[in-house]
Amino acid sequence: DQQVKQNSPSLSVQEGRISILNCDYTNSMFDYFLWYKKYPAEGPTFLISISSIKDKNEDGRFTVFLNKSAKHLSLHIVPSQPGDSAVYFCAASATAAAGNKLTFGGGTRVLVKP
Amino acid sequence: DAGITQSPRHKVTETGTPVTLRCHQTENHRYMYWYRQDPGHGLRLIHYSYGVKDTDKGEVSDGYSVSRSKTEDFLLTLESATSSQTSVYFCATSGGGYNEQFFGPGTRLTVL
Repeated sequence: DQQVKQNSPSLSVQEGRISILNCDYTNSMFDYFLWYKKYPAEGPTFLISISSIKDKNEDGRFTVFLNKSAKHLSLHIVPSQPGDSAVYFCAASATAAAGNKLTFGGGTRVLVKP
Repeated sequence: DAGITQSPRHKVTETGTPVTLRCHQTENHRYMYWYRQDPGHGLRLIHYSYGVKDTDKGEVSDGYSVSRSKTEDFLLTLESATSSQTSVYFCATSGGGYNEQFFGPGTRLTVL
């Protein structure tokens, strides 16, 4: 059973517009959430994170929103740029659990059209 | 950027042969992880380590073993490779707590 799900496998957006990526989770013990970006033939790179004590975290063009009651988080990219074309992974962690492990969603491939 | 290297970067092997992948870090991070990435599954945790000689299983550990004899090195061994283990393997490290994991560049393994 997938504890972290990204229900949209792909997303296409025009340059300059907003990209919205969604992620749902089922485990109530998750209290730290991260987004990673991955280009082909490279390892994932950390983008932004949010702790469960917050409902929003912003870093430049990237904002993550957390709705704990709905067990849902989203990543907003504004404005989208061609260099944002990549696969984005949502990940979650239960920091009280051993190992500082992350559980990943299946990823969303974003294509930003010029 | 954490200094994480993986070797080899590409490998083709035959079913039934043992394979060892190496991860090396220069950040002195306590935690190290091995993931595999397959289409539709994201990244799935194989094994992880929380210190030298301290390891534990992840979500998809069957057919894999790991060893960590030094802080900087984490080895993943496929005892007898099968075609279902064809995948891209990523190593990651973390300082723990509310800290992100840093990923290596990956190893593409093909088992024929």
